[in-house]
Amino acid sequence: DTAVSQTPKYLVTQMGNDKSIKCEQNLGHDTMYWYKQDSKKFLKIMFSYNNKELIINETVPNRFSPKSPDKAHLNLHINSLELGDSAVYFCASSQGGAGSEYTFGSGTRLTVV
Amino acid sequence: QKEVEQDPGPLSVPEGAIVSLNCTYSNSAFQYFMWYRQYSRKGPELLMYTYSSGNKEDGRFTAQVDKSSKYISLFIRDSQPSDSATYLCALNSGGSNYKLTFGKGTLLTVNP
Repeated sequence: DTAVSQTPKYLVTQMGNDKSIKCEQNLGHDTMYWYKQDSKKFLKIMFSYNNKELIINETVPNRFSPKSPDKAHLNLHINSLELGDSAVYFCASSQGGAGSEYTFGSGTRLTVV
Repeated sequence: QKEVEQDPGPLSVPEGAIVSLNCTYSNSAFQYFMWYRQYSRKGPELLMYTYSSGNKEDGRFTAQVDKSSKYISLFIRDSQPSDSATYLCALNSGGSNYKLTFGKGTLLTVNP
């Protein structure tokens, strides 16, 4: 049983399109995250939700909008996709507060052409 | 100055070698220190977790934290080809801060 699952695994789309990535965790964790990993493997946080409340909102273009319908799900919607959005997007979850261990999903590889 | 600096490598060693991976950081508020391992096309997985200064050992892996120097290390003894991966340090300041700040990762290859 996958602890943090993301769909789709791969996404190839044209510039200007709108796309969504879904994430689900079955660990009972309270907090979920979206991270972006660029081509140089640098992992940068984008958003975090704790019990459906947005707690981290880094400097990310408004075209990116997270949504958490419940504490087990965190989705990422991207409008008007640009070439620079090409990256691997990782969902993660953690239980408890600061200093908690993250469990990552296997990533969604987004390619914008 | 970046919050967390990590030499991206790549680092290539023969099987059985001792590997030393390092990160430096600038924010003295960091108090939780982790190492994640990421295999190609997979998500990062937690390898070692340390709170505050000191050493922690788990099998062939040893994590060291020197808060006075703002320097953390991961040592791998008797390295194996299966250790070939990207190793990322990750730091958190605790309190109300849930964010993990990652280093850029070091790509390690262990050659048989």
